[in-house]
Amino acid sequence: SAVISQKPSRDICQRGTSLTIQCQVDSQVTMMFWYRQQPGQSLTLIATANQGSEATYESGFVIDKFPISRPNLTFSTLTVSNMSPEDSSIYLCSVVLDPGELFFGEGSRLTVL
Amino acid sequence: GNSVTQMEGPVTLSEEAFLTINCTYTATGYPSLFWYVQYPGEGLQLLLKATKADDKGSNKGFEATYRKETTSFHLEKGSVQVSDSAVYFCALSAGGGYQKVTFGTGTKLQVIP
Repeated sequence: SAVISQKPSRDICQRGTSLTIQCQVDSQVTMMFWYRQQPGQSLTLIATANQGSEATYESGFVIDKFPISRPNLTFSTLTVSNMSPEDSSIYLCSVVLDPGELFFGEGSRLTVL
Repeated sequence: GNSVTQMEGPVTLSEEAFLTINCTYTATGYPSLFWYVQYPGEGLQLLLKATKADDKGSNKGFEATYRKETTSFHLEKGSVQVSDSAVYFCALSAGGGYQKVTFGTGTKLQVIP
């Protein structure tokens, strides 16, 4: 298993500002994933973050809006840039240990006013 | 592409009632199947999994059987408790280097005393 810590757990932000979410894992992992869970909806993969390379973004998500850093094998950040109310979501960091088996952080609940 | 279809919620049951949450899938190849649970205010956690046809995953009294012939992975529990109130997500992983996970839309379960 893996223990994943995310910060902040929740925040309320103003439109047009940016917020960086941090994800710390208690073991070294090759791949880290960022998901978005909009209110009442399922999880959508934003991007895959590999250490030492650019993140890979899913369709509908772009680096300018969601820049990601992965400086080492235990840490990653996701920035939500130029926020609008539509960005209000829970953002989840996750890692995979066994194929397909994800471990999640508790999520960062973001409200944009 | 891959997809997961879950029964819509919310599902409201009395304590000690029998639970079934239906899940069907579409995938290429031979996917692994999962049920994740999200308790209020928490991130997702793996509840159970099955990696090949006819496998039964089980945990905390919950069971699900991988049915290839009906492409289903229904979640069952014989006697639910108030503490089982949560959102349940069916998911699959198939193909790709790390076996990308596809989630269903989630089913909210509320158990009343």
